[in-house]
Amino acid sequence: SQTIHQWPATLVQPVGSPLSLECTVEGTSNPNLYWYRQAAGRGLQLLFYSVGIGQISSEVPQNLSASRPQDRQFILSSKKLLLSDSGFYLCAWSGGGSETQYFGPGTRLLVL
Amino acid sequence: GESVGLHLPTLSVQEGDNSIINCAYSNSASDYFIWYKQESGKGPQFIIDIRSNMDKRQGQRVTVLLNKTVKHLSLQIAATQPGDSAVYFCADLPPGNFGNEKLTFGTGTRLTIIP
Repeated sequence: SQTIHQWPATLVQPVGSPLSLECTVEGTSNPNLYWYRQAAGRGLQLLFYSVGIGQISSEVPQNLSASRPQDRQFILSSKKLLLSDSGFYLCAWSGGGSETQYFGPGTRLLVL
Repeated sequence: GESVGLHLPTLSVQEGDNSIINCAYSNSASDYFIWYKQESGKGPQFIIDIRSNMDKRQGQRVTVLLNKTVKHLSLQIAATQPGDSAVYFCADLPPGNFGNEKLTFGTGTRLTIIP
């Protein structure tokens, strides 16, 4: 069966510091991968998606970037965090002929 | 779903009663719909899906109804339990190239089950 992992689970970072969040998927190959941000009490905002290694599409202009160095690895980064980057970051995957997206456990980021 | 940035609507239901959560979507071309459940501090969990060629689909204690005429989706949960308390999101997918499944999520509804 497929599983999706995210780490760290929680992160507190000062303004201006760099960021690296990691997401990995097991049990499937060539998945589509997605990064979402969720503000407290809000819906999901798609940040990036990837249909293959090295292929990244950005949905909104922002202070963040994404990379996919391996087939089942998706990384969300920032060179300098802003206060507005605080939120709950979710990674998701889809594939295997299905449109359904399956989400990871999320990373809660607090920028102070 | 329509994600308009509003605070979550809420629904409180007595334990054991049935609940109905509603969702409106905007893209009449959408042909695939999903309901997710999100418990506090966790990622959304897939509940049930339905395609546009169906009006109704049933799972275990859950039923999804699709009314394409008015672009409305609903999730019915039968005999609610305390563990059903969560935020429920609908999502829709317009037709497009395979491999580009960008779902549009609704704002979500917070369901609280009263013991």
